[in-house]
Amino acid sequence: GEQVEQRPPHLSVREGDSAIIICTYTDSATAYFSWYKQEAGAGLQLLMSVLSNVDRKEEQGLTVLLNKKDKRLSLNLTAAHPGDSAVYFCAVSARNYAQGLTFGLGTRVSVFP
Amino acid sequence: NSKVIQTPRYLVKGQGQKAKMRCIPEKGHPVVFWYQQNKNNEFKFLINFQNQEVLQQIDMTEKRFSAECPSNSPCSLEIQSSEAGDSALYLCASSLPGGRYEQYFGPGTRLTVL
Repeated sequence: GEQVEQRPPHLSVREGDSAIIICTYTDSATAYFSWYKQEAGAGLQLLMSVLSNVDRKEEQGLTVLLNKKDKRLSLNLTAAHPGDSAVYFCAVSARNYAQGLTFGLGTRVSVFP
Repeated sequence: NSKVIQTPRYLVKGQGQKAKMRCIPEKGHPVVFWYQQNKNNEFKFLINFQNQEVLQQIDMTEKRFSAECPSNSPCSLEIQSSEAGDSALYLCASSLPGGRYEQYFGPGTRLTVL
């Protein structure tokens, strides 16, 4: 089945700098790609999602890049601020959405002044 | 912001006890998913429904776990006989059907089995 690797596990970023999180997946049939943010004690907040026909999407200081050839998905947080401190997860699924999402193990992002 | 409601937020049970948690999906979302997130941030898909029908479930769910999404009532996930290894955050998500893949999550129910 699908396997997702996420790196780095921890990321320390100065306020105003950028942070990049990368996920690689194994199943070439993967059709849906998403990023979630989880703050302490909370559920998952959907940040952005793309389908496999999209290479790049930008929204509100976030950029998602999809490289299907290398099976790589990335999230770029531009101009990080303290409110961005959280755990970030990538989550992917095949065209059959009934199979549920496969998640990476998360990246803990800490933004310091 | 997600409008998925999960209750209770925290649940403490002894081994062998039943543990039941509930989920109200976002209005207009007929597809409901249950996931288990352990302390190592490993997510496990458990089961999903479209309206009242099970779409898919994993073997673990078929044995000690039961779930339902009755019409006009909250969805529920119940562990018949809790084990220490069931201690985790149980997340409910809802989505639109048929190719709209975005899943919106509730805050979760944190189960601790003593």
